[in-house]
Amino acid sequence: DAGVIQSPRHEVTEMGQEVTLRCKPISGHNSLFWYRQTMMRGLELLIYFNNNVPIDDSGMPEDRFSAKMPNASFSTLKIQPSEPRDSAVYFCASSSGERSSYNEQFFGPGTRLTVL
Amino acid sequence: QKEVEQNSGPLSVPEGAIASLNCTYSDRGSQSFFWYRQYSGKSPELIMFIYSNGDKEDGRFTAQLNKASQYVSLLIRDSQPSDSATYLCGGDTGRRALTFGSGTRLQVQP
Repeated sequence: DAGVIQSPRHEVTEMGQEVTLRCKPISGHNSLFWYRQTMMRGLELLIYFNNNVPIDDSGMPEDRFSAKMPNASFSTLKIQPSEPRDSAVYFCASSSGERSSYNEQFFGPGTRLTVL
Repeated sequence: QKEVEQNSGPLSVPEGAIASLNCTYSDRGSQSFFWYRQYSGKSPELIMFIYSNGDKEDGRFTAQLNKASQYVSLLIRDSQPSDSATYLCGGDTGRRALTFGSGTRLQVQP
């Protein structure tokens, strides 16, 4: 069984450039989560979708960040323009069930983003 | 105050000992808690989840939830060097799907 798929695995870019991270959730899962992990702030929830609809985006740092889920099998997280402080590992996770917080979240391998 | 708090460690225990990892939370309405293990450079993976007060056992792992005192713990019996990792406590704080603590790094000394 394929787990959560993320691409790219590593991204190095320069400040001011646009960055797009991609995620394919596990087939049949109806909730998708984007997290950011840094040493300083730990694992932070940025946004989560249920049935392709954004439910809570209060963790999105600022307007430079946007996320979309055009269908049940694909989501993107975009940063425009990127800044050095955006450097982190970005995880995508998915889960099934109506109440996502009661169900196991399966994490993808993460995208390590470095903004120079 | 963070919604879910953990001691960052490192917590060092000898092989074969019991490792005790603790987590406190601020939202009394929180219903469910998850323990994830994360090896360095890897993604988190679920170890245990607990919804009810009391203990829940699964092999060498026991999760404990005390809603009155607002703490969750994870006990690892017969600790092995392969248990060395960062353990993340995640709670349903009501406002979001899960809020995670900053994680406790566990080192099991052979």
